[in-house]
Amino acid sequence: DQQVKQNSPSLSVQEGRISILNCDYTNSMFDYFLWYKKYPAEGPTFLISISSIKDKNEDGRFTVFLNKSAKHLSLHIVPSQPGDSAVYFCAASGASGTYKYIFGTGTRLKVLA
Amino acid sequence: EAQVTQNPRYLITVTGKKLTVTCSQNMNHEYMSWYRQDPGLGLRQIYYSMNVEVTDKGDVPEGYKVSRKEKRNFPLILESPSPNQTSLYFCASSLNGQPQHFGDGTRLSIL
Repeated sequence: DQQVKQNSPSLSVQEGRISILNCDYTNSMFDYFLWYKKYPAEGPTFLISISSIKDKNEDGRFTVFLNKSAKHLSLHIVPSQPGDSAVYFCAASGASGTYKYIFGTGTRLKVLA
Repeated sequence: EAQVTQNPRYLITVTGKKLTVTCSQNMNHEYMSWYRQDPGLGLRQIYYSMNVEVTDKGDVPEGYKVSRKEKRNFPLILESPSPNQTSLYFCASSLNGQPQHFGDGTRLSIL
């Protein structure tokens, strides 16, 4: 039972355009969400997070949107750069006080120059 | 330089031979955790620790043990490894409880 789903295994975007990566979850107890980027042969890198009390969080070129009613979050990268080509994972955490994290299966983003 | 260091980076071993993957961080972080990455399954949390002598199970703890005797170290122990534990393993640490700084991974192959 996959509680956090990234239904698009891959995505290609032209340099300079917007990349939108999607993530759906099934557990309504999740209240904290994170995005990570992973290059080959390296560990994941934390990008941005959002609490369930917000619907948007922005950090430079990265914006995360949370739609609690749809149990959906998305990561927007604007403008996309070739160095953004990587695998992106979303993750979710349960009720406050727990430090269990459930990750999605990842989306491979390729930014074309 | 802030680092999470895992050793070994690669290991090929045989079923049943006990092994330990070490993880060390130099940032004085209280929170440390272990994950495995498998094709089509993403990252799955094995164990985590909120502080010295405080550990708890993640999503897939079966077949693994951990210990947290010092703040900087969080070794992952496979007492009797089996082929289904062949995977890419990551250790992570942070101050605030969310996995923030990851090591570069340990690729384990169990024959």
